[in-house]
Amino acid sequence: AQSVTQLGSHVSVSEGALVLLRCNYSSSVPPYLFWYVQYPNQGLQLLLKYTSAATLVKGINGFEAEFKKSETSFHLTKPSAHMSDAAEYFCALDNYGQNFVFGPGTRLSVLP
Amino acid sequence: DAGVIQSPRHEVTEMGQEVTLRCKPISGHDYLFWYRQTMMRGLELLIYFNNNVPIDDSGMPEDRFSAKMPNASFSTLKIQPSEPRDSAVYFCASSLARVWTGGEDTEAFFGQGTRLTVV
Repeated sequence: AQSVTQLGSHVSVSEGALVLLRCNYSSSVPPYLFWYVQYPNQGLQLLLKYTSAATLVKGINGFEAEFKKSETSFHLTKPSAHMSDAAEYFCALDNYGQNFVFGPGTRLSVLP
Repeated sequence: DAGVIQSPRHEVTEMGQEVTLRCKPISGHDYLFWYRQTMMRGLELLIYFNNNVPIDDSGMPEDRFSAKMPNASFSTLKIQPSEPRDSAVYFCASSLARVWTGGEDTEAFFGQGTRLTVV
């Protein structure tokens, strides 16, 4: 069965510090992977996606993620956190081209 | 396209009442998903449709929940009778089938959600 895990339900960083949000997946087929962001009282918005092209994927708002097959990981990073990055982040996997499997989410807090 | 449109944005109802949530997916999308989000359980997939046909409703919590997709541009999620534990944010999302996109542009597009409060 396909699954997604996110280490750390809550991550706090200082403004200007590196953001690292972890995502590991389990899949028996080459996966498509996604990161979504959810701001308070909003729907989920796509940050970036991996669809078997380049392993380093750049997204919106300065975020990027690297697909590492050997580690079954797709961690999300941003070199310098901004206050506006405070939100909930979800990693997701395309389930055999049908539905999507979402991780439990990581709440990012950015401290001034 | 205006994106996935959900209505209402907020719904407050009394226990025992029927609640109907509505969703208009992005035009041309093949898949439609209903999710429920709570603090306790996070994001749960309730049901999804492919070409208006329900494919997997194993996430629907009880018989009180039902979903329909009468055509490609409209879906409803109905709760009858509603209970306080149904209080949550309900999201609708849509996506394109991978077969049409060659793998690109297969992400799910989410609506703004309906915040349901059952008192």
